Amino acid sequence: QQQVKQSPQSLIVQKGGISIINCAYENTAFDYFPWYQQFPGKGPALLIAIRPDVSEKKEGRFTISFNKSAKQFSLHIMDSQPGDSATYFCAASLNAGGTSYGKLTFGQGTILTVHP
Amino acid sequence: DTGVSQNPRHKITKRGQNVTFRCDPISEHNRLYWYRQTLGQGPEFLTYFQNEAQLEKSRLLSDRFSAERPKGSFSTLEIQRTEQGDSAMYLCASSLVGGLYGYTFGSGTRLTVV
Repeated sequence: QQQVKQSPQSLIVQKGGISIINCAYENTAFDYFPWYQQFPGKGPALLIAIRPDVSEKKEGRFTISFNKSAKQFSLHIMDSQPGDSATYFCAASLNAGGTSYGKLTFGQGTILTVHP
Repeated sequence: DTGVSQNPRHKITKRGQNVTFRCDPISEHNRLYWYRQTLGQGPEFLTYFQNEAQLEKSRLLSDRFSAERPKGSFSTLEIQRTEQGDSAMYLCASSLVGGLYGYTFGSGTRLTVV
């Protein structure tokens, strides 16, 4: 099964708050889990990514938490800012070396609105 | 600009017409991917190339769709006999082999079939 399920569909947060977006996957062959940010009229841009041998990765205000046994991962945005208002997608990719390596399977997206 | 370039940015066409989109990847990237994104959904994989070889095609890529990358540089995606269901954003991305961190998307071509 190739699906990646993402929740919530939309999220409203006050400036300075924490935004949390969750994803779950079924295919245990996935071994790369990126998060993308997309603004209207633009293509997705890579925010942060993690591999399953690490439980957490932090880059600035963005943190990925990864739970391999539960097949879940989440994005935390600390000190959320109005400029973070965008659509966020989780994604997953299959094992390195296989022919499908580099093909990303995306979640359905979360529309984040950060109020000033 | 050293990013992924897609043209045109917008295309409105009548049902039944053929359309062609172009993608110019980052010059040193040897992998090129096409995705389709409908409103409110995540991008869905269509096909990808390694240099000029088309290595994988999704079930979403019906026989009305064809993609080429003739010299391993730019790529074209053609849709023949367009249908209203083809209305979507068509995204191109490029990367180095094994370089998922260098994976870069273009801004897409928005297709509207009327």
